[in-house]
Parts: sequence; C-alpha cells; structure tokens
Amino acid sequence: DAGITQSPRHKVTETGTPVTLRCHQTENHRYMYWYRQDPGHGLRLIHYSYGVKDTDKGEVSDGYSVSRSKTEDFLLTLESATSSQTSVYFCAISRDRAEISYTFGSGTRLTVV
Amino acid sequence: AQSVTQLGSHVSVSEGALVLLRCNYSSSVPPYLFWYVQYPNQGLQLLLKYTTGATLVKGINGFEAEFKKSETSFHLTKPSAHMSDAAEYFCAVRGNNNDMRFGAGTRLTVKP
Repeated sequence: DAGITQSPRHKVTETGTPVTLRCHQTENHRYMYWYRQDPGHGLRLIHYSYGVKDTDKGEVSDGYSVSRSKTEDFLLTLESATSSQTSVYFCAISRDRAEISYTFGSGTRLTVV
Repeated sequence: AQSVTQLGSHVSVSEGALVLLRCNYSSSVPPYLFWYVQYPNQGLQLLLKYTTGATLVKGINGFEAEFKKSETSFHLTKPSAHMSDAAEYFCAVRGNNNDMRFGAGTRLTVKP
C-alpha cells in the first residue's frame, strides 16, 4: 500500500547485533502496530502505538523495543538479535479507535544467523 | 480475551469448486471479525469484516462470510474457486486495545 512503507524489505544480521526496522506512513493515522508472522502462529502483536511517544506492549514484546517520535514513523528495535527473532515483520496502521480495520505494509523479512 | 481458531492449515480445492475456510471465535463481548488474504511476499489485504447488523457479509473477489453467534463461527466461502484465489487466509478478531488477534492461517491451493 502506497501509504505505508517498511524498510528494509530484507535483512540478514548476526546474533547479538542490534537491528532497527522502520515503518513510515503518509496517512496521518494515529495507531501503528508491529506484528511478527511465523508459520503456525499467524500474526502476533509485538508493540503498538496510539500516538506520538505513546506505546504499549503486545503479546510477544520480550526482546523488542519501539519508539515513535513523529506521527509518521514507528521504529522497532531488536536490542540484541537472536535466532528466535528470525521472522517476517509487518507494520499496520489504523486511523483511530473507530477505524476497525488495518492497512498493512509489505513486510520485512529478517534472518538472524 | 478475544481469540480465533482456524480449522485446517491447508485446504485444497479444484478450480470451480466451492471454497470453505473455517474460523471459530471466542469473545466475551460482541465481536468484530475479519478475514484477510495474503498473497506471496505481500502484506495482508482486507477481504471483509463483520461489525454489527447483517450477519452475511460480502467482501471483495466474490468472497462472503456468515456470522453465526450460536456456533461462534465466521466461515469464509466462495461459490467457485479461481486459480487466482490461491493464497493464505487469516481470520481475525478485534481485541480490547483496538489490536487485531489473528488465527494461524489457512493456505488455500486451487488445482486446475
């Protein structure tokens, strides 16, 4: 979707290194979400944001941190990457609580070796 | 807490046959339910959603789903499968924090 961009699209990194994934939106939506997708698990929520500097944990937040200093950018950081964090990461946005469906980015495929 | 369970991780149908993908939900409040589709190497696209009102919901690409409270189900159907329907399908329910809770997904294969 043209209104939401994830970068990088692919990344290979070594165990123990820090990694930051970026989600950028041009829709001025309030809510932003980070999910990871793994076979047999569907998508699971890592962290979400309900405004600038307002974030909260999701179901699988251990080992991840997030920041949102501007409406348009939501960063996901793996402080010290582990092989269990090899996954496909999706960002999603929604306008507000009344907006009940999401728009998804195209994903970032992260491999930790 | 809200959750969904998708029955069957893989479904295979012949082109022109009925598509039926099963989803059951658990929710302590009236649920908002969704079906998303994911094509290879892409993000998820919304197929359809149920909020309130009519229990038969029509979506894009000829798909529809029926909300059945008595069965806690929200199965996705399409009368006649097309090769282009081959993809992974996710059922989801809205959580208390405006988050989306997804099922494990069902991969649909369409045979010629």
